[in-house]
Amino acid sequence: AQSVTQPDIHITVSEGASLELRCNYSYGATPYLFWYVQSPGQGLQLLLKYFSGDTLVQGIKGFEAEFKRSQSSFNLRKPSVHWSDAAEYFCAGTEYGNKLVFGAGTILRVKS
Amino acid sequence: EAGVAQSPRYKIIEKRQSVAFWCNPISGHATLYWYQQILGQGPKLLIQFQNNGVVDDSQLPKDRFSAERLKGVDSTLKIQPAKLEDSAVYLCASSLQGWYEQYFGPGTRLTVT
Repeated sequence: AQSVTQPDIHITVSEGASLELRCNYSYGATPYLFWYVQSPGQGLQLLLKYFSGDTLVQGIKGFEAEFKRSQSSFNLRKPSVHWSDAAEYFCAGTEYGNKLVFGAGTILRVKS
Repeated sequence: EAGVAQSPRYKIIEKRQSVAFWCNPISGHATLYWYQQILGQGPKLLIQFQNNGVVDDSQLPKDRFSAERLKGVDSTLKIQPAKLEDSAVYLCASSLQGWYEQYFGPGTRLTVT
């Protein structure tokens, strides 16, 4: 079955440090992959998406993600984290014609 | 551009009562989704509409949940009767087409006591 796995439930980083959130997927040849962020009491906001083409995709708020087919991964990165980045991050995936499946989320804490 | 609107934002009911949630998608978006997000989990699709037709309702508990999208715009999701395990955030999302770039509303947090 198609699935998206986020191995880390919580991650804590210091403000100004780099960030990498992991996402692994189980799909066929052409997955469509997304990263969303959810602040407390808010809906989900799309950070970036991968459909095809360049494997390194840029998103909003300084985030980027790299699609690695050989590792079935789509990890989210940011070179320098700000306190306002503290939130929950969801990776999601689909193949054309199927519903979007979300990972369980990773809660990011930023310490000053 | 106005985002996806949902109401109410919060609702507390007792088990066996009924409740309804309302969603107004982004103007021009043909596809509308309802998700259930239980604490500590990612959103799970309950139902997807394309205009006013149902595309996927395979994970909707049809014995107690119902949804409609009259005129292909606004949508309502109803639970009757509610159970304790229905406590969750109910998210509405819309997209211009298909499965891509879904835009989410703020959600309705339901607590069933």
